[in-house]
Amino acid sequence: KNQVEQSPQSLIILEGKNCTLQCNYTVSPFSNLRWYKQDTGRGPVSLTIMTFSENTKSNGRYTATLDADTKQSSLHITASQLSDSASYICVVSGTFTGGGNKLTFGTGTQLKVEL
Amino acid sequence: DVKVTQSSRYLVKRTGEKVFLECVQDMDHENMFWYRQDPGLGLRLIYFSYDVKMKEKGDIPEGYSVSREKKERFSLILESASTNQTSMYLCASSQESGASLGNTIYFGEGSWLTVV
Repeated sequence: KNQVEQSPQSLIILEGKNCTLQCNYTVSPFSNLRWYKQDTGRGPVSLTIMTFSENTKSNGRYTATLDADTKQSSLHITASQLSDSASYICVVSGTFTGGGNKLTFGTGTQLKVEL
Repeated sequence: DVKVTQSSRYLVKRTGEKVFLECVQDMDHENMFWYRQDPGLGLRLIYFSYDVKMKEKGDIPEGYSVSREKKERFSLILESASTNQTSMYLCASSQESGASLGNTIYFGEGSWLTVV
């Protein structure tokens, strides 16, 4: 069964600190991996998309890494800000017969940044 | 900017009522999706559509139906709402997806449905 597991489930950090969120997946065959940020009560917003050939991708203070061999990804947030408080969702896309993509969602890491 | 608009942000409906959730996207995307999001379960796909009048069941289609009469509009229908359908519903759209494409999926702001 295709699964995406994220850790930690929740995290509290002080403003200005760095943090790393983890994503392990068992989706196969693998197509791409996405990280989304979801503010409370809002829809998810895309941060990064990585294919199996990409190891690192950055979007401002967000840097995602991917190890397709170990099926692990991480999202590193640098110099956190209060506005980073949100749920971060890892989404893995696998191909299936016919060429379509099927998305498997993690349950998210709830990040809270405090003063 | 791509915009996916869900017409209702908050709804309260009674058990047995027919409920319509409307979604419109403005980027001429081929693919549209309906998900529900529940605490601890992540997003689960209800239905998706890859073209006008085309629809495919997702992982949890029971109790739901969809309609896509126009490319920009994708409606989710709860024929007879039940309390276990209380949830946040998210509409999404993307361009045509190939086997290895990583097209961005754009989400609406969500519709919070409470069935009493």
